Amino acid sequence: GEDVEQSLFLSVREGDSSVINCTYTDSSSTYLYWYKQEPGAGLQLLTYIFSNMDMKQDQRLTVLLNKKDKHLSLRIADTQTGDSAIYFCAESTGRRALTFGSGTRLQVQP
Amino acid sequence: DAGVIQSPRHEVTEMGQEVTLRCKPISGHDYLFWYRQTMMRGLELLIYFNNNVPIDDSGMPEDRFSAKMPNASFSTLKIQPSEPRDSAVYFCASSWDSYEQYFGPGTRLTVT
Repeated sequence: GEDVEQSLFLSVREGDSSVINCTYTDSSSTYLYWYKQEPGAGLQLLTYIFSNMDMKQDQRLTVLLNKKDKHLSLRIADTQTGDSAIYFCAESTGRRALTFGSGTRLQVQP
Repeated sequence: DAGVIQSPRHEVTEMGQEVTLRCKPISGHDYLFWYRQTMMRGLELLIYFNNNVPIDDSGMPEDRFSAKMPNASFSTLKIQPSEPRDSAVYFCASSWDSYEQYFGPGTRLTVT
């Protein structure tokens, strides 16, 4: 079955790097995603990675995928207060719809 | 493009009333998804359409929920009759290939 797990909370200081982790169980996942949700807002697609890739970098964001361990991480370099939000990991399989984790609340302290 | 548009943004209704949520997907997107977000269950898929045809409605909670997509630019999610446990944020998302899904701002539904 499909299951995506994340830690609930992460606190970092402004300027530090943040690393948000996610594990998934479905080995047939084709794409893995990171979404950002700010209070009262919808989900913003940050980045995604195809399952045959190990790494993807996009400006301050780096996604690492360890397919053997079914582990996905999102690294945010030079974290800013504007990065404070809930970050959701999600996977898609042939079913097309996304299965989301419970979200990690990132708090950035000035 | 204006992105995915949902209306209303907030809806407060009494138990037993009919509720209709609306969504306008991004132009050119062939896939439309309805998700529900609650504290207890997180984000879960209710139903999705491809080219206006419902493909997977296994997430629809029960017969009180129905969804339609009469054309490529409009979809509705209806709850009749509504119950307090339906209180949640309902998101619509659209995609041209089902992989890059773009979410609307959501409708916060409160059923008293």
